[in-house]
Amino acid sequence: ILNVEQSPQSLHVQEGDSTNFTCSFPSSNFYALHWYRWETAKSPEALFVMTLNGDEKKKGRISATLNTKEGYSYLYIKGSQPEDSATYLCAFYDLRGNQFYFGTGTSLTVIP
Amino acid sequence: GAGVSQSPSNKVTEKGKDVELRCDPISGHTALYWYRQSLGQGLEFLIYFQGNSAPDKSGLPSDRFSAERTGGSVSTLTIQRTQQEDSAVYLCASSPQHGQTLYGYTFGSGTRLTVV
Repeated sequence: ILNVEQSPQSLHVQEGDSTNFTCSFPSSNFYALHWYRWETAKSPEALFVMTLNGDEKKKGRISATLNTKEGYSYLYIKGSQPEDSATYLCAFYDLRGNQFYFGTGTSLTVIP
Repeated sequence: GAGVSQSPSNKVTEKGKDVELRCDPISGHTALYWYRQSLGQGLEFLIYFQGNSAPDKSGLPSDRFSAERTGGSVSTLTIQRTQQEDSAVYLCASSPQHGQTLYGYTFGSGTRLTVV
């Protein structure tokens, strides 16, 4: 079982604040990393698929960067809104096991 | 279907009873995955199917857990003689092909299983 770590475990921010959190993964045998947003009582929704070192992806106020050499990805949210409240999961694809390993997630609460 | 459907959405069962969880993937998706999330834990891989076959059953926690998929479509996860530690949210996901990583998985909304 591979170790995919996310930090912090939970985060409370005020509406309008910008925030970021981290996904750490093994730096060897990198193939792909996915970010998901999981709102309470809904399905996890794919946010970003990242495959190349140095990748930067953006969707509205949310963006992500990838460093495969050092084994981390950052997710940034600019000007957080209450609707951003969710658990953000990252998933690392392991070529040897041919499957995704998920982190435990970062639970974000945006306070109006 | 338009999305991945799971049923039931909630299930409360008594310890020792058997339960069946159902997943209906996106039409045409050949790969189907079962995960579970216990309280305070990350998503734990259980099993995947490519078509009707399950090449990797290593994630199933015990021999009380089994899964099948028929017609390359609907999958059923069965838990026999449920225990309290089986309480979790069971998520199903599908993708066009196993090992294809250019798109994220499409998840269902999960079945919350509570064993009392």
